[in-house]
Amino acid sequence: KAGVTQTPRYLIKTRGQQVTLSCSPISGHRSVSWYQQTPGQGLQFLFEYFSETQRNKGNFPGRFSGRQFSNSRSEMNVSTLELGDSALYLCASSGAGQNTEAFFGQGTRLTVV
Amino acid sequence: AQTVTQSQPEMSVQEAETVTLSCTYDTSENNYYLFWYKQPPSRQMILVIRQEAYKQQNATENRFSVNFQKAAKSFSLKISDSQLGDTAMYFCALLLWGAQKLVFGQGTRLTINP
Repeated sequence: KAGVTQTPRYLIKTRGQQVTLSCSPISGHRSVSWYQQTPGQGLQFLFEYFSETQRNKGNFPGRFSGRQFSNSRSEMNVSTLELGDSALYLCASSGAGQNTEAFFGQGTRLTVV
Repeated sequence: AQTVTQSQPEMSVQEAETVTLSCTYDTSENNYYLFWYKQPPSRQMILVIRQEAYKQQNATENRFSVNFQKAAKSFSLKISDSQLGDTAMYFCALLLWGAQKLVFGQGTRLTINP
C-alpha cells in the first residue's frame, strides 16, 4: 500500500508569488490534514478536508487555502507569499472512521526569498 | 483550547540505556487520544504509540511504553534498550474525539550515542 505522497519535495518562491502544494493520501483514506512546521512555531494545524469539505480550520490568514478532490487528493495554496511562510508543510491522511491514526507524508520544504 | 507541553528540548543517552521523555497537556474535554510521533532527519512523521484516554492501561509497543496519568494530564514515553535508529525529534500530540486535528508539543530532540 503506497503511503502519503507530497509533491514537490522542495520549492523556492519569491515574496509575493503564490504556490500550490499537492498531497495524495493513502488509498481509501478520505480525510486529509495539513500542518505547517517551523523552528519557531513548531507544528501548527492548517486545515482538514473530508469528502471534499473543509471540516476543521486552524488559525491562519486567508492567504492559506485548500481543497480536496473527489479522489481525496488535496491541494494547499498560499497566495502573496511572505518570508515567514518558509516552512515544512506536512500532509496527513486518515481513514474513514473517526479518531483513526494519521499517516504523514514526507513534506514539502518551501523557501520564500 | 488545548495545549501540549514538552519541557525537554534535548536529551542524549548512550545506546542500550533507557530514556523517558516528558509531556503534559491541557484540555477540558474528557474524550481524546494521545500520541507520540517520531520525526527522523528524513522528516517523515512516524507514529510511535497511541493511548486512548478512556483506557487506564498504559499502551506498549515493543521497546516503547507510556506512563499515562490522566488526572495529572501527563503522558511520558519510555524507550527501553535504546538504539541508534531511535535518534530523532519526538513529538507528543493530542487529538480530541471527533476532530481530526492534532495539537503538537514543541518536540524533544533525542540523540542516542554509540
